Amino acid sequence: AQSVTQLGSHVSVSEGALVLLRCNYSSSVPPYLFWYVQYPNQGLQLLLKYTSAATLVKGINDFEAEFKKSETSFHLTKPSAHMSDAAEYFCAVRTSYGKLTFGQGTILTVHP
Amino acid sequence: DADVTQTPRNRITKTGKRIMLECSQTKGHDRMYWYRQDPGLGLRLIYYSFDVKDINKGEISDGYSVSRQAQAKFSLSLESAIPNQTALYFCATSAPSVDGGRRQNNEQFFGPGTRLTVL
Repeated sequence: AQSVTQLGSHVSVSEGALVLLRCNYSSSVPPYLFWYVQYPNQGLQLLLKYTSAATLVKGINDFEAEFKKSETSFHLTKPSAHMSDAAEYFCAVRTSYGKLTFGQGTILTVHP
Repeated sequence: DADVTQTPRNRITKTGKRIMLECSQTKGHDRMYWYRQDPGLGLRLIYYSFDVKDINKGEISDGYSVSRQAQAKFSLSLESAIPNQTALYFCATSAPSVDGGRRQNNEQFFGPGTRLTVL
């Protein structure tokens, strides 16, 4: 069965610093992977998705993620954090019949 | 206008009451989903529906039921609410795996959520 694990329930960075949010997946078939962001009091919004077309995926707001099969990872990065990036981030993998299984979430805090 | 809407946005109720949460979408998607979100647990699937006549249980369906009244509407009911059903509930939609002859990636589109408190 496909699953994802997000390492670190809370990540804190300074404004302007690199953001790195970790996600590892388990899948017996080539995975479709997603990163979603949830801003306070809002629903989930898609940041980016991996569908096997390219291993480096660029998303909205300068986020990107690299699919590494050898490491079963799909970590999310952003070169320079902004205060507006403070949110909860979810990694997800497509499972049977097009369903999604989500990780536990990582809360990103950005300090001035 | 939002593509996926949920009503109510907030609800406080008492143990034993019947509650219905409603979801409507204008994206024209066949697939609809109900999730609950709890701190530290991410989103967990309660029920999903691939079309009006197809309803399936998710990983945590006990204590919940659903109704797919039309392609655009999918309601979640708590027949007798209990305090551990206090959570944030999300509705989502997606296109089918093959849509118009093209394979889809099953990206899901989420509503704004309903915050339910059961006292």
